[in-house]
Amino acid sequence: DIQMTQSPSSLSASVGDRVTITCQASQDISNYLNWYQQKPGKAPKLLIYDASNLETGVPSRFSGSGSGTDFTFTISSLQPEDIATYYCQQYDNLPRFGGGTKVEIK
Amino acid sequence: EVQLVESGGVVVQPGGSLRLSCAASGFTFDDYAMHWVRQAPGKGLEWVSLISWDGGSTYYADSVKGRFTISRDNSKNSLYLQMNSLRAEDTALYYCAKDAAYGSGSYYDYWGQGTLVTVSS
Repeated sequence: DIQMTQSPSSLSASVGDRVTITCQASQDISNYLNWYQQKPGKAPKLLIYDASNLETGVPSRFSGSGSGTDFTFTISSLQPEDIATYYCQQYDNLPRFGGGTKVEIK
Repeated sequence: EVQLVESGGVVVQPGGSLRLSCAASGFTFDDYAMHWVRQAPGKGLEWVSLISWDGGSTYYADSVKGRFTISRDNSKNSLYLQMNSLRAEDTALYYCAKDAAYGSGSYYDYWGQGTLVTVSS
């Protein structure tokens, strides 16, 4: 099984800050990596697919990069509405999610 | 508008059985693979099962293999999850999710709101 290590598990940042979350796969998964946002009490929402492609309608302050085993998700300028938990998910093999990163406002 | 509406979640005793349903609308159901993803209270997301567009291929997480069965009825635009030998650790909100592709899984572009399964005596 491919394991996904996501870090940090939580972070606190100020409005306008650049926020970075990383996800590391236990083996090469090419670009088969997606990112989701989950707000409290809501279903997850797709933000980034295939490592770097922005889903339609998602603000351009969200971005993703990486390939192979190391991936990065970035919010270029944190907004109050970005408070949520973010998950990476690989699909090179059976799907698996990372442990999540809870983003809070400082 | 794509809609996924789950139902069937209840409180069930350990060892019991349950069948979840997901009614899909707003897209050509039999063009896409479908998934079940669960989330235990206060925990992260866990992929549970995947079924290909035609039902010909199914996949399961190790934690549910041999106990859960995924199926679909394309004539009814519906997805199902038969859950047997339920355990306390199966307690979770179960989401139905639409895959963006037809086969063995890619990314989930639409999700339902979930149905809560509680396994407790």
